[in-house]
Amino acid sequence: DVKVTQSSRYLVKRTGEKVFLECVQDMDHENMFWYRQDPGLGLRLIYFSYDVKMKEKGDIPEGYSVSREKKERFSLILESASTNQTSMYLCASSSPTAFFGQGTRLTVV
Amino acid sequence: GDSVTQMEGPVTLSEEAFLTINCTYTATGYPSLFWYVQYPGEGLQLLLKATKADDKGSNKGFEATYRKETTSFHLEKGSVQVSDSAVYFCALSPSGGYQKVTFGIGTKLQVIP
Repeated sequence: DVKVTQSSRYLVKRTGEKVFLECVQDMDHENMFWYRQDPGLGLRLIYFSYDVKMKEKGDIPEGYSVSREKKERFSLILESASTNQTSMYLCASSSPTAFFGQGTRLTVV
Repeated sequence: GDSVTQMEGPVTLSEEAFLTINCTYTATGYPSLFWYVQYPGEGLQLLLKATKADDKGSNKGFEATYRKETTSFHLEKGSVQVSDSAVYFCALSPSGGYQKVTFGIGTKLQVIP
C-alpha cells in the first residue's frame, strides 16, 4: 500500500513558537504538497515541491516555509506560530494522482 | 489559472436516494480529474479518477465521466448509504508542468436513515 505519513495527528503550540510539521512518502514521488484546510475555504495550497531542494509558493505561503532535503521528506515550518494558523494541515505526494497523509490538526494558543 | 467549481452543500439525502454532485473545471489542455472523499477526522482518500476525455471512473458504486465538451466531472451514485456521509472533493492535475493539484471547495454529504 502506498503511504504518506505525517508525524503528528494533533499538536498544540504556543504563539511565537517555531513549529515543524513532517511528512514522509514511500512512493518515490517527485511532487509533494502542503495544504491547509479550513471550514468553508476548502483546501488551500501553501507550498509545493517538484524535486529535492526545489520549492514553489502556493496560494497562501505567508508565515510558512518548507524544506525538502530528501526526496521522501517534505517539512512545513511555521517560523513564529500565530493563532490564525490554527488549522488542519494536509500533506500529499503525487505522480499525478495525489495521495494524502492523515492530517495534522494544529492548535495555536 | 486552473480552477475547480463544485457546490459546497451540505447535501442531505435519505438512504437509497440518488446522488449527484456537480463539478466543473477550467484548465488548459487535458488535465486528469479526480474525486476524493474525506471521512470525519481523516485525510483525503482517492475515490476515482479519469485521465482522458470520455473516460469513466468508478469505485464503490460511485461513477464520474470526463466530459471535455462541458468541462465537467459530475459524481453520481445510484443508492447512497449512511456510510457514504463524508466530504467529497473534485480535483484536477494538469497534463504537464509541475502537476499541481487544484481542489474544489468540497461538498459535505449527509445521508440519513
